[in-house]
Amino acid sequence: SAVISQKPSRDICQRGTSLTIQCQVDSQVTMMFWYRQQPGQSLTLIATANQGSEATYESGFVIDKFPISRPNLTFSTLTVSNMSPEDSSIYLCSVEKQGNEQFFGPGTRLTVL
Amino acid sequence: QQQVKQSPQSLIVQKGGISIINCAYENTAFDYFPWYQQFPGKGPALLIAIRPDVSEKKEGRFTISFNKSAKQFSLHIMDSQPGDSATYFCAASMEDSSYKLIFGSGTRLLVRP
Repeated sequence: SAVISQKPSRDICQRGTSLTIQCQVDSQVTMMFWYRQQPGQSLTLIATANQGSEATYESGFVIDKFPISRPNLTFSTLTVSNMSPEDSSIYLCSVEKQGNEQFFGPGTRLTVL
Repeated sequence: QQQVKQSPQSLIVQKGGISIINCAYENTAFDYFPWYQQFPGKGPALLIAIRPDVSEKKEGRFTISFNKSAKQFSLHIMDSQPGDSATYFCAASMEDSSYKLIFGSGTRLLVRP
């Protein structure tokens, strides 16, 4: 498995501001992903965080709104930019280990007022 | 074609009973089918997973049944316990898409004492 930490665990932000979420894993991994889980809903993939290159975004998600950094094989950040109340969600990072198993961090619970 | 359909939306089972959650998919290119368990305020935890070359996989009280021809798979929780009360998500992924997970809509399980 993998030990994954996320910071912050939760935050309350004002409309129009930005928040950067950090994801740290205890070992080097090739694949890191960012997901969004809206209240009471399932998980939706935002993007794949690629080390040394630009992130790969899923349909409906754009770099200007969700810029992602992946400076090394154990760390990634997701920024939620120019936030609105619709961005209130849980944001989760995950990593893929051998055998295609994906392990998730504890999540960052974001509330936008 | 990328969807994974999950049912039921919610499930109530008596302690000691069998909980059964079903998922169906359309894309025959999917080749990895995990189940995740999520408790409130936590990230999803990988419970058990199966590949289409086997019809069943068992780990403790949890069993995945896989029907390749019907494009369906299910999670069976034997001897269900109140501690199993959580939300369960099925998912699917494929090598061609870098194993990005497509999640079902989730099933909220309540096991009554």
